[in-house]
Amino acid sequence: AQSVTQLDSHVSVSEGTPVLLRCNYSSSYSPSLFWYVQHPNKGLQLLLKYTSAATLVKGINGFEAEFKKSETSFHLTKPSAHMSDAAEYFCVVSDKNDMRFGAGTRLTVKP
Amino acid sequence: EPEVTQTPSHQVTQMGQEVILRCVPISNHLYFYWYRQILGQKVEFLVSFYNNEISEKSEIFDDQFSVERPDGSNFTLKIRSTKLEDSAMYFCASSELAAISGANVLTFGAGSRLTVL
Repeated sequence: AQSVTQLDSHVSVSEGTPVLLRCNYSSSYSPSLFWYVQHPNKGLQLLLKYTSAATLVKGINGFEAEFKKSETSFHLTKPSAHMSDAAEYFCVVSDKNDMRFGAGTRLTVKP
Repeated sequence: EPEVTQTPSHQVTQMGQEVILRCVPISNHLYFYWYRQILGQKVEFLVSFYNNEISEKSEIFDDQFSVERPDGSNFTLKIRSTKLEDSAMYFCASSELAAISGANVLTFGAGSRLTVL
């Protein structure tokens, strides 16, 4: 069985400071891992994905995530937050024919 | 950039009524999905659909739910007799590949918010 845990329901940062959104997963197989972002009244947009290639994955809008098998983690980072990054972020694991979503982390960016 | 389009964006219905949520997937995609998110809870998998039949479904997807691709472009989710607990945001998604391929990326629509009174 697969599952994903997002360790923070809400993260607040100041504009220009680093962002860290934490995600841990469990999976019986070699998983694929994704981060999706949801802006208000918008669909779920793919930020980045890991599919057993390079462990450091770069995504859109300056985000990146590192797959650490020993820690079963796939944390999302960005060096410098922008106001437009304020949104809900979902970590997702997929190892068979469905995708399991984390509960989401709401990112607030203060001016 | 190609999009998945969902209608309506918001529907309010009375308990016991039938509801149909519509989705237009990306045109060259072959796999279609419905997910739902009850307010304050996780996004949950409902069903996947390929080659005009259901390929996977969750425990949530009981006999009250059905999916259909009636005309080669629309992909619909029908709830036969709505219950209060069906109130949620319903997301449609499509992909070129099956999720099991590992390289699969789902493109999601903006969602349809269903409120059952």
